[in-house]
This record gives sequence, structure tokens and C-alpha cells, in this order.
Amino acid sequence: RKEVEQDPGPFNVPEGATVAFNCTYSNSASQSFFWYRQDCRKEPKLLMSVYSSGNEDGRFTAQLNRASQYISLLIRDSKLSDSATYLCVVKNSSASKIIFGSGTRLSIRP
Amino acid sequence: DVKVTQSSRYLVKRTGEKVFLECVQDMDHENMFWYRQDPGLGLRLIYFSYDVKMKEKGDIPEGYSVSREKKERFSLILESASTNQTSMYLCASSLSTKDRGYEQYFGPGTRLTVT
Repeated sequence: RKEVEQDPGPFNVPEGATVAFNCTYSNSASQSFFWYRQDCRKEPKLLMSVYSSGNEDGRFTAQLNRASQYISLLIRDSKLSDSATYLCVVKNSSASKIIFGSGTRLSIRP
Repeated sequence: DVKVTQSSRYLVKRTGEKVFLECVQDMDHENMFWYRQDPGLGLRLIYFSYDVKMKEKGDIPEGYSVSREKKERFSLILESASTNQTSMYLCASSLSTKDRGYEQYFGPGTRLTVT
């Protein structure tokens, strides 16, 4: 079993829709969680950190469920520019253990 | 704005050649990382460094070495390039403060082809 698992997608949704995807992690000692966004042929960029209490940044909401060991990303009122691959990142207490998921590809259609 | 630069965007090398990939960051970050990214496998950590002259192996260090002589520069070395090292190589840097977690900033990547 992979340490961090994501549905690879693609998720193909119409503009304006709400879309959500999850990421599961296997190490219960994981401490920090992030969502990164990667556009085609570009480097990953931090989208948002995921806090225990959940956090929102505009149309984006990230949540952490420690009991079930998953994090989620919700995008409301999706835009064409949201089309990208979303990478889940999990870090445990060891500096060497930063695990990237393989990513979920999202495609927004007009 | 954090800036992480990599020496080449595209590189073509022959099997057996020694390859140097350079990464420079301008934000005085303590931590620097080298990843490779392959379709279906995501990003995999090769090596990382948390201080000058310090290095630690990541998940796939075989066939690679690194050098960090200055805080801002982290080099990845392929001692004898092989075709299975054809990949996208991404460098990243980060602070390591509790408040900011472990946010990483990536360079634009080097697409290496070994023929």
C-alpha cells in the first residue's frame, strides 16, 4: 500500500461546478499536510496548508480527518484556470519523510 | 518572492556520462531537496540537505550523489548516467519553522534525457 494515495482522475467537471477529492495517508504519526497544484509542464506550487481545524482560502477549502487518515480539497465555483494536477503532501516528524501523492488531475470544461 | 533556479531546463546526455544539475535559491532557506518526477510515480525524493555540507538520503538515492558547499546551492550529480535516469528533476527549498510547517518552493525543473 502506498503511503499517500490519490485518485489519479481525471475529474472532468463543468465550469461553475463544485468538485472535491480526497487523499489518504497510512502513517498515523503524520504531522503536516499540504495541497500543491501543478500545471502541465510546470513545477508544483503550494496551494494551501491543511490545518487540523480545516481552512478556507477563497473558493478552496481543505480539511483533515485524522481518525480516518485523509485530507480533502473542495473547490467551489470552479474556473477553467483551476485545471491542473493537485498533489497531496504529507510530512511526518522526520525531515526526510515528505511524501507526495501521485496527484489528481482536474479538467474544467466550458 | 522565493526564487529557486535550476541550471538547465532541458539536458541530453549519453549513457555513462557524468551529469551535474545545479540548483540555487535566494531566500536563505535551510533545507534543499532533489526530486525526480515520473508519470504515474509522482515525485520521489532523491536526497535532501538541511544545512551546508549536510546531506541525507531520500527514497531513491542509488546512482546519485549531492553536494552542498554553500547554503544557497545544492547540486545533484549522476556519476554515470543511465537510461533509467531519464526523468524530470525538480529542486526545492524550504524553511523549517514550526509556524510555516514545511512549505516547499520548487524550481522550474530540468528534463534530462539519457540516450
